[in-house]
Amino acid sequence: AQTVTQSQPEMSVQEAETVTLSCTYDTSESDYYLFWYKQPPSRQMILVIRQEAYKQQNATENRFSVNFQKAAKSFSLKISDSQLGDAAMYFCAYRSANFNKFYFGSGTKLNVKP
Amino acid sequence: GAVVSQHPSWVICKSGTSVKIECRSLDFQATTMFWYRQFPKQSLMLMATSNEGSKATYEQGVEKDKFLINHASLTLSTLTVTSAHPEDSSFYICSAPGQLNQPQHFGDGTRLSIL
Repeated sequence: AQTVTQSQPEMSVQEAETVTLSCTYDTSESDYYLFWYKQPPSRQMILVIRQEAYKQQNATENRFSVNFQKAAKSFSLKISDSQLGDAAMYFCAYRSANFNKFYFGSGTKLNVKP
Repeated sequence: GAVVSQHPSWVICKSGTSVKIECRSLDFQATTMFWYRQFPKQSLMLMATSNEGSKATYEQGVEKDKFLINHASLTLSTLTVTSAHPEDSSFYICSAPGQLNQPQHFGDGTRLSIL
């Protein structure tokens, strides 16, 4: 089975600064999708950004961007100009191209300091 | 707006009660839905895959008789926690997959508290 590892249980960043959350995964598949989800205290799961493994270009969504290193099986999330509303749990997730099942990492709690 | 509706959002009940949680896909059909359980400050743990018209597929370690799943239509899956006990208290989330390169659509979750 695929595994997703987030090695940073908790991180802090100053407002307006940049922070990078790490994620690595293990798979033998060549085609798959990767996602970052945000879960605020309300516990809603909010999609932040997604990356198709066949695309070499790193995905970006406004202040959020990823560094996708397929050979290294690494998928980090960079948050620029951090805002107080960015404070939440962030989960990295893997989805096979052939199956609907998602695999989630253990999560990183992001604190944003004013 | 929400594409997956989950309710109730919060349930408090006595030990021994059976509790049903509904997950509905809005404006789309979902032949598959997923049920997750999340303990405080932990990740989402996949419990089972709900399949329309057939038996659910349970993950290892999940009690089939405790967590009954019914996917009777293309828009509705239900999770029933039978004879619930305090250790079943948790946050339960359902989801329905989109297209292959699309994210899952999550419900807003159900907070279950067993007294």
